Amino acid sequence: KAGVTQTPRYLIKTRGQQVTLSCSPISGHRSVSWYQQTPGQGLQFLFEYFSETQRNKGNFPGRFSGRQFSNSRSEMNVSTLELGDSALYLCASSQNGNTEQYFGPGTRLTVT
Amino acid sequence: DQQVKQNSPSLSVQEGRISILNCDYTNSMFDYFLWYKKYPAEGPTFLISISSIKDKNEDGRFTVFLNKSAKHLSLHIVPSQPGDSAVYFCAAPTSSGTYKYIFGTGTRLKVLA
Repeated sequence: KAGVTQTPRYLIKTRGQQVTLSCSPISGHRSVSWYQQTPGQGLQFLFEYFSETQRNKGNFPGRFSGRQFSNSRSEMNVSTLELGDSALYLCASSQNGNTEQYFGPGTRLTVT
Repeated sequence: DQQVKQNSPSLSVQEGRISILNCDYTNSMFDYFLWYKKYPAEGPTFLISISSIKDKNEDGRFTVFLNKSAKHLSLHIVPSQPGDSAVYFCAAPTSSGTYKYIFGTGTRLKVLA
C-alpha cells in the first residue's frame, strides 16, 4: 500500500506570496492532519480534515487554510507569506483521526 | 502552554546499552500516548503507543512505560543500535474522540558505535 505523499518536497517563496501544498493520504484513510515543524518547536498542529470537513484547528492565523477533496486528498494554503512561515510542513493520514497517524515526507518551505 | 514536554533535547548512548527517552504531560485527561521516530528529510514514523489503562507496552526492543500519577511516560530501547539514531517525539490526542494531536519538541538520540 502506498504511503502518504506530499508535493512539492521543496519550495522557495518570497515574502507576501502565497503557496499551496498538496497531500495524498494512504488509500482508505479519510482523516488528514497538517503540522508545522520548526526547530525547537516540535510539531505544531494546524488542522484536521475528515470527509471534506475541518474538524479541528490549531492556533494559527487565518492566513493558514486548508481543504479536503472527495477523494480524501488535501491541500493547505498559506497566504501573504512571512519569513517565520519557513518550516517543514507535514501531512499525516489515519483511518478516522483517532488512531496512529502516518506521515508523509513533508514539504520544506523557505520564505525569503 | 506546552501540554506535552520532552525536556531533554538530546541523548547519546553507546551501542548495545539502554536508551531511555522521557516525556511529561500536564493534562490528566490524556488517555492515549504515541511515540514517533523521525529521520532527517523524512516524516515521523509511528513506533509504539500505550493506552492509559496500561502501564507498559512492549514491541520488540521498544517498551513504553506510563506512570499516570506522575504524568510521565518513557520509551526504553534495548539494546540500542546505530540505526536508532533519530529524533523521537511523544504525542497525545488532546482528549478522547478529538482529532488534535499534541506533540513534544522531540529528543535527538545518537547511538554511538
